[in-house]
Amino acid sequence: DTAVSQTPKYLVTQMGNDKSIKCEQNLGHDTMYWYKQDSKKFLKIMFSYNNKELIINETVPNRFSPKSPDKAHLNLHINSLELGDSAVYFCASSQGASSANEKLFFGSGTQLSVL
Amino acid sequence: LAKTTQPISMDSYEGQEVNITCSHNNIATNDYITWYQQFPSQGPRFIIQGYKTKVTNEVASLFIPADRKSSTLSLPRVSLSDTAVYHCLSRPYNQGGKLIFGQGTELSVKP
Repeated sequence: DTAVSQTPKYLVTQMGNDKSIKCEQNLGHDTMYWYKQDSKKFLKIMFSYNNKELIINETVPNRFSPKSPDKAHLNLHINSLELGDSAVYFCASSQGASSANEKLFFGSGTQLSVL
Repeated sequence: LAKTTQPISMDSYEGQEVNITCSHNNIATNDYITWYQQFPSQGPRFIIQGYKTKVTNEVASLFIPADRKSSTLSLPRVSLSDTAVYHCLSRPYNQGGKLIFGQGTELSVKP
């Protein structure tokens, strides 16, 4: 069983479209994240949810809207896709946001290509 | 705003020891430093974590000086399969409690 699973693995779409990426974790963790990885491999945090509550919301365009129906799921919806949105998006989870030895568990990523 | 920094890339040969240093000079007092390994088309995976001095596991060692403003990941006798991107992660005291990654170090191991 995959601990953190996200779908789809690849997403190719046209500018202006709306798309969603889904994430589920079966680790029983309370906290889930979305990270964006650019072509230079830097992982930048976008959002964090703890028990379905938004706790971190970085300076992300409001075209990006996360939704957490329960603590095991954190989906990312993106409206009006732009070329600059092309990147790899990673979902992650952890037990205990803000704990001193917090460890993140990552999904395998969604490679988004906007044409 | 201080950043978490690490070299962008490193080259090595099989059998060598590789040391990758990360600077995190605004780390929060009580927080740990964590390192992740990422292979192509995969998500980062945890390899080691420490608070101070030295930590060793079956994969790597982590050296943290007394001031904790940097940490060094040490990979003994690397093989081709250690070719990956290595990320350090820490929590700065001035970033609202967020965990911040370094830029990632792309390690290339050659035969």
